[in-house]
Amino acid sequence: QVQLQESGPGLVKPSETLSLTCTVSGGPVSTSRYYWSWIRQPPGKGLEWIGNIYYSGSTNYNPSLKSRITMSLDTSKNQFSLRLSSVTAADTAMYYCASYCSIASCQSVGYNYYGMDVWGQGTTVTVSS
Amino acid sequence: IQMTQSPSSLSASVGDRVTITCRASQGISSYLAWYQQKPGKAPNFLIYAASTLQSGVPSRFSGSGSGTDFTLTISSLQPEDFATYYCQQLNSYPITFGQGTRLEIK
Repeated sequence: QVQLQESGPGLVKPSETLSLTCTVSGGPVSTSRYYWSWIRQPPGKGLEWIGNIYYSGSTNYNPSLKSRITMSLDTSKNQFSLRLSSVTAADTAMYYCASYCSIASCQSVGYNYYGMDVWGQGTTVTVSS
Repeated sequence: IQMTQSPSSLSASVGDRVTITCRASQGISSYLAWYQQKPGKAPNFLIYAASTLQSGVPSRFSGSGSGTDFTLTISSLQPEDFATYYCQQLNSYPITFGQGTRLEIK
């Protein structure tokens, strides 16, 4: 089973770009099994899906954030990354990376389940000057 | 697709049977998952396809429903079950979560 670990600065200034990395261990980020995902949770609130990236480089983004998001893969480092531009205080949250096995991607590699089965421990990002 | 959970919070005792409801704003077949989140921890994947327990999840958890209405039931609450529960639709992008149901000890 893969393990995920988020990393990045805990404090970002308003209007700047938030950059986070998720390091994958226990399996290759180039697998066709998973869509590599980002989810965030503002303090005291619920979960918000940010987007995901597939091994092919294809991406799916939340429309509410799409204009500010860039996701990428680095197969040499077995990592995937999130960049969120023009941040404001509303972007203050715990940011999680997760592995999402979709209906199609799971079936393509012989699994019958689907969902976000592995999560990182999360990293807190505060937007403040 | 908007996901609405009820209740938002629930108080119960060890041994109780509890049910949490999740409603989708449009039909999602059975493309629904449930997660459990404890304070300060990442969510934990419990159920997929509305009713199938992920490996290792105790059998006191069960899920049901299809289309727009879904339920998560815990048959006999254990101390470790007090947490916040989220439903999630995987029918179409953007993936969306319910707002969460906080299960507290009475």
